[in-house]
Amino acid sequence: QSVVTQPPSASGTPGQRVTISCSGSSSDIEKNFVSWYQQLPGAAPKLLIYANDLRPSGVPDRFSGSKSGTSASLAISGLQSEDEATYYCASWSDSLNPHVAFGGGTTLTVL
Amino acid sequence: QVQLQQSGPGLVEPSQTLSLTCAISGDSVSTDDAAWSWIRQSPSRGLEWLGRAYYRSRWHVEYAASVRSRLSVRPDTSKNHFSLQLNSVTAEDTAVYYCARWTHAESFFDTWGQGTLVTVSP
Repeated sequence: QSVVTQPPSASGTPGQRVTISCSGSSSDIEKNFVSWYQQLPGAAPKLLIYANDLRPSGVPDRFSGSKSGTSASLAISGLQSEDEATYYCASWSDSLNPHVAFGGGTTLTVL
Repeated sequence: QVQLQQSGPGLVEPSQTLSLTCAISGDSVSTDDAAWSWIRQSPSRGLEWLGRAYYRSRWHVEYAASVRSRLSVRPDTSKNHFSLQLNSVTAEDTAVYYCARWTHAESFFDTWGQGTLVTVSP
């Protein structure tokens, strides 16, 4: 399985901008789209960003995504208390055993 | 708007078969622009993609290497749903299982089921 790496935790104060990184490889992030999901406790993941930097309708423009080479990032500006959640990146992996590779998740705490 | 509704037991005995169904509304299991996937989540493994089925001129099924020998994902066009069967389960298969719709064009999960906690225990 591909290993896509995220920092386990991040934090910020209300109004701040925080960035969450997602590191992969030439088999996944570098050649395929990256998507981001927000998961609140007890709920299913919810799509936040797709195709590296596109937002579905209904997702505030405080959330933005980017990708460069084998890494991607999620930025949240104007941090709000309701942003406290776990965030996951994902990408298709064209490895020997093709699959969807998920990052390990980053738990964001709003201080 | 696409919705996915999961059903199936929450408790399975070790060595038995875990079976879940995901009913699709607002789309067709035979659509050629999406794949129908199963994902599970546990504290030890995080989010783990298990497999998917999709139609592109014919049916295709793909599985994660970790469960390939035990997993079957099957579409049912008459009921417009798809199912998961995981054989010979152990305690390590205890997890929340999700079904999800994967959009081929931009490669992302745009719709998720509500999740089913499956516990493997005697």
